[in-house]
Amino acid sequence: QQQVKQSPQSLIVQKGGISIINCAYENTAFDYFPWYQQFPGKGPALLIAIRPDVSEKKEGRFTISFNKSAKQFSLHIMDSQPGDSATYFCAASNPTSGTYKYIFGTGTRLKVLA
Amino acid sequence: DARVTQTPRDKVTEMGQEVTMRCQPILGHNTVFWYRQTMMQGLELLAYFRNRAPLDDSGMPKDRFSAEMPDATLATLKIQPSEPRDSAVYFCASGLAPKKSGSGADTQYFGPGTRLTVL
Repeated sequence: QQQVKQSPQSLIVQKGGISIINCAYENTAFDYFPWYQQFPGKGPALLIAIRPDVSEKKEGRFTISFNKSAKQFSLHIMDSQPGDSATYFCAASNPTSGTYKYIFGTGTRLKVLA
Repeated sequence: DARVTQTPRDKVTEMGQEVTMRCQPILGHNTVFWYRQTMMQGLELLAYFRNRAPLDDSGMPKDRFSAEMPDATLATLKIQPSEPRDSAVYFCASGLAPKKSGSGADTQYFGPGTRLTVL
């Protein structure tokens, strides 16, 4: 019940296309859902995050869509660029319980072709 | 530009040797996390501290791994004895948990990692 399932494992998108990465969770106590971006040789960095009181959050070309009833959330990268090529991790946590540890998905390796 | 620092960045050692990895969290942050990243297992949480006290180390092999925070500016992860299966990238992350439990959420800021190779 603590798992966060992420798909696909890898994704190849043409420049200008839309990249979509999906995550699903079981624990309804989760109430904070960040996405992290990791470039080779670097640590993960926060990209965008959402709380379940909204169904969508947009920051530039990056959008999180959240479906509370289905316990799913997804990352959409619009107008994908070669510089977006990285590994993306979704995560879930339950900060309202006073714990701040994340449960990470297994990651999606995105390659955007020029 | 505040950031988490980790040393060493790369470590190659032989099986059975002791390995110590160090992390300096962002000044003022009160939560510190240790993660291990491998191709097979992804990002695994090893240990988690708040205000220097260990809150959760259930992800850490207790017989050989230990994590401490001697002070607010230093977190250490030690492996003794090391084994080839410990080869991975170890990340430290820090964050600022709100003083009022249950409110808000802290972003975790990751360091650059320590790449450990145990031969």
